[in-house]
Amino acid sequence: EVQLVQSGAEVKKPGESLKISCKGSGYRFTSYWIGWVRQMPGKGLEWMGIIYPGDSHTRYSPSFQGQVTISAGKSISTAYLQWSSLKASDTAIYYCARASSYGLSGGYAFDIWGQGTMVTVSS
Amino acid sequence: QSVLTQPPSASGTPGQRVTISCSGSSSNIGSNYVYWYQQLPGTAPKLLAYRDNQRPSGVPDRFSASKSGTSASLAISGLRSEDEADYYCAAWDDSLSGRYVFGTGTKVTVL
Repeated sequence: EVQLVQSGAEVKKPGESLKISCKGSGYRFTSYWIGWVRQMPGKGLEWMGIIYPGDSHTRYSPSFQGQVTISAGKSISTAYLQWSSLKASDTAIYYCARASSYGLSGGYAFDIWGQGTMVTVSS
Repeated sequence: QSVLTQPPSASGTPGQRVTISCSGSSSNIGSNYVYWYQQLPGTAPKLLAYRDNQRPSGVPDRFSASKSGTSASLAISGLRSEDEADYYCAAWDDSLSGRYVFGTGTKVTVL
């Protein structure tokens, strides 16, 4: 079965660092992109960025560039999303999703999604 | 806010046809593919359509997507109670160095 399994919920204080994970199984991890999507409480979906684990090529949304770091460990089929200094406004559910790319401007079809990781940042 | 605009809500009775619109511009829908996602309450999104009008395997043919110019739409025919969910369109946007953008989302209610 093709699936993405994300790490568990986190409760952090402002200023702390955090790295959440997304482990793929059931397919060739290095042949698909992995994207990250934020959903703030009661709000819509926001694309944060994407990585191609085969060569670690990464693209960020301008809104998230410099705010987070996306990485991948291809030997363990795992992608990561990390913050160096969390803010209360980072409180959200974060989804990873497998993607097929349709060219530089063709966009991505996110066809397999992780279950989501709830991150709560509160003092 | 998002550059892809959707109506906040849509509704219909079981068996009816509901259509959701997604309005964009020449830098996104007008020149790039459109994707549609369904998010049932409390769950992760699910891909409903890709490359404007293609359905992934397993998606019922009650769901059909189309695009014309700088707008796209998703039609749900034979509405069922299990279709009650949030629906999002998405596309690559060539502005601001390029980014993938989701629409504002539409809540579909089955009356």
